[in-house]
Amino acid sequence: NAGVTQTPKFRVLKTGQSMTLLCAQDMNHEYMYWYRQDPGMGLRLIHYSVGEGTTAKGEVPDGYNVSRLKKQNFLLGLESAAPSQTSVYFCASSSTGSPRRHFGDGTRLSIL
Amino acid sequence: TQLLEQSPQFLSIQEGENLTVYCNSSSVFSSLQWYRQEPGEGPVLLVTVVTGGEVKKLKRLTFQFGDARKDSSLHITAAQPGDTGLYLCAASGSARQLTFGSGTQLTVLP
Repeated sequence: NAGVTQTPKFRVLKTGQSMTLLCAQDMNHEYMYWYRQDPGMGLRLIHYSVGEGTTAKGEVPDGYNVSRLKKQNFLLGLESAAPSQTSVYFCASSSTGSPRRHFGDGTRLSIL
Repeated sequence: TQLLEQSPQFLSIQEGENLTVYCNSSSVFSSLQWYRQEPGEGPVLLVTVVTGGEVKKLKRLTFQFGDARKDSSLHITAAQPGDTGLYLCAASGSARQLTFGSGTQLTVLP
């Protein structure tokens, strides 16, 4: 029972490079989310999706883009990486009407 | 956006001691969740409380929701090294919006 799977688990980028973080869930959840976690700041919502083909901005969306072409997948893109985007990124999903988030194990991203 | 304050930020105790972690806000919540996160993993839900004054117990963990639904506490009795982790509270104003506190890093020393 995989739940929420994130790839890659670790990545190091140089400033200005681009990359895509992948998230897949097998629970048939409608809602999916991308968060970043920084020391002392908890989890902050970057973007979220309420269904296939939909996306919306969260609390800290600048510098990121997302796509939800399939219900089970939610992609997070960094167009031009900056050192301020060094963080641990978590994908999560939830079922309709439930506040409970099911999290992946995170992607640790360092921007040099 | 609701602001959630957790205290203490760090807590280091000996095995067998009791502890309480707090989560406070000036806003009223429709529900509140507690998560535990271990190193290298994502947060995992421990409990959801929805009714003011509600108390829930999960083995040695006791969760309380304030009467006014603005605050919550997590009490651990006879802490064990396996309780070590980051404890996060998260408040919900709607099914989609969930605001997380900054967390309490608990270390239980054997």
